[in-house]
Amino acid sequence: DAKTTQPPSMDCAEGRAANLPCNHSTISGNEYVYWYRQIHSQGPQYIIHGLKNNETNEMASLIITEDRKSSTLILPHATLRDTAVYYCIAQGAGGGNKLTFGTGTQLKVEL
Amino acid sequence: DAGITQSPRHKVTETGTPVTLRCHQTENHRYMYWYRQDPGHGLRLIHYSYGVKDTDKGEVSDGYSVSRSKTEDFLLTLESATSSQTSVYFCAISQQDNEQFFGPGTRLTVL
Repeated sequence: DAKTTQPPSMDCAEGRAANLPCNHSTISGNEYVYWYRQIHSQGPQYIIHGLKNNETNEMASLIITEDRKSSTLILPHATLRDTAVYYCIAQGAGGGNKLTFGTGTQLKVEL
Repeated sequence: DAGITQSPRHKVTETGTPVTLRCHQTENHRYMYWYRQDPGHGLRLIHYSYGVKDTDKGEVSDGYSVSRSKTEDFLLTLESATSSQTSVYFCAISQQDNEQFFGPGTRLTVL
């Protein structure tokens, strides 16, 4: 699975959009980009994933560049409850999704 | 929330003693995983299962064994616990290509 690079920390004002970047320059054609988050000592929570098209669900939007070497997770209206560590993972398709977690981005949402 | 429970939630044990952690699911998902999480690291995969009696090693499998005798239960055993196995252990489940759902975690301390 491709290695990903994320900034270690980011801050965001409550109510504003949080844009979390991820670089995955060695991603291969059949690898998806997955985003998870972990709120203080809880189990990670799935957010969204995509292959090459932009994706949106009730939690977030995922923007993947055309060359697929980077992506951005967007939380449109961040709240204090979105404070968490966000993990970007490039993962191959097929059964048995063996996620390789990095150290992620610590997002702090402040008043 | 996905029906995943882990037991025990907290355990303190002594070096050299055997320890078994249990992951139980009510979702009938095919895949089950054990991860550990240590300060400064993301989650690291220990073992995973792709069906009853079908298991394989992950990134940090040394010192651990697993068993899955029925779909809903995945057991992680430390045959002889060491202080380096002090960690938070997370279980996860998934279907074929879908996202993983994580349990609440077990905090294990080996003295």
